[in-house]
Formats: sequence, C-alpha cells, structure tokens
Amino acid sequence: QKEVEQNSGPLSVPEGAIASLNCTYSDRGSQSFFWYRQYSGKSPELIMFIYSNGDKEDGRFTAQLNKASQYVSLLIRDSQPSDSATYLCAVNMGDTGTASKLTFGTGTRLQVTL
Amino acid sequence: SAVISQKPSRDICQRGTSLTIQCQVDSQVTMMFWYRQQPGQSLTLIATANQGSEATYESGFVIDKFPISRPNLTFSTLTVSNMSPEDSSIYLCSVRGGPGSSYGYTFGSGTRLTVV
Repeated sequence: QKEVEQNSGPLSVPEGAIASLNCTYSDRGSQSFFWYRQYSGKSPELIMFIYSNGDKEDGRFTAQLNKASQYVSLLIRDSQPSDSATYLCAVNMGDTGTASKLTFGTGTRLQVTL
Repeated sequence: SAVISQKPSRDICQRGTSLTIQCQVDSQVTMMFWYRQQPGQSLTLIATANQGSEATYESGFVIDKFPISRPNLTFSTLTVSNMSPEDSSIYLCSVRGGPGSSYGYTFGSGTRLTVV
C-alpha cells in the first residue's frame, strides 16, 4: 500500500468551475499535510499546508483535512487555465529531524478547459 | 521563504562519471533534503542532509552512490556517482526553515541530469 495516494488524472474541469483534488494517506501518525503545484519542467511550489482537522482557506484555494478518514483535499474555486498543472500532496510525521521529511503522492494532473 | 540556488541547472554526462550538484540557501535552515524526480513520476526522497554529520538515506539509496555533504546551515552538495542511464532524472534540493520562517518547504529549481 502506498503511503500517500492520489488519482493521477487527468482531472478536466471547465474554466470557472471548482476543481476538487483528493489525497489519502496510510499512516495515522501523519501530522502535517501540504499541497504543491508543479508546472511541467518546473519545480514544485507550495500552495497550502494544513495540520488541523477542518478547512483552511487561502484565496481561491481551500484545503480540507479529515484525520479520522485519513483524507485531505484541495478545492480550487473559479478554476483558470493557469491552474492547469500537476498537484502534489505531501505529508510529514512531525516537525523535527527526519520526521519532518515529506512523503509525496504521485500527483494529480489538472486540466482547466476554456 | 528561503531562496535556493541550485547548480547546475542541467547536464549531460557520460556513463561511469560523477556529477556534483550544489544547493545554496540565502538563509540558515534547519533541514535540507535531496529528492529525485524521474520522468513522469513524483518526488522520491533520497536523503536528509545533516549539518556536520552523515546524511540519513532512504531505503534504496546508499552513500556510495549518492554521497552528500552539508558543511554548514546554508549549503549542501549531492554527488551522483558512477552514473548509468537509469540515473537520468531531475534532482531537487529542498529546505525547511527554522522558527519564524515559513512552515512550508521550498524547492530549488532542480538539476536535469541526462546520462548517455
């Protein structure tokens, strides 16, 4: 069983719609959860992180965490063609030492169509 | 967040040779990591670079193949040794700052390595 799982996609949504990206993780000890965006040929850039159950909003992005279900999601409202990228979910086991290393999912490719 | 300078940005190397990749950060950071991203794949952690001591390697990665140095809190190197075409990949440095810095992790721009 993979530690962090994502649907590889592509997930296709029309411009202006809400894109919903999902991620599940296997280790209940996971503490913090990160969403990265990666454009083709570029390095990952951090969109959001979350470590408490519930929702966290930042502009058009909302991260949702449900530790009981071991599930984290990213919602992108008013999707734009510039949001077309691969979205990577990552988790860590703590704040210090090697526990702080990130484990990544395989990523979901998002396509926002005109 | 920290600004990372990673060099070289790309290289084409002959099999059997070695390449050293440098990662320079503009501020002191607590944690530095090295990742590999093979074509069309996600990121796989190679090792955690520890300041002043041996790196901590993940399963499947060994020091003889990927020696890592971290002489201070702002600099690290990764060497890919005795390269084969299977080592063709993007190698990424990542850092996590200390208290008061961004909680997130920043990535360098990556080194695209092709082994021929």
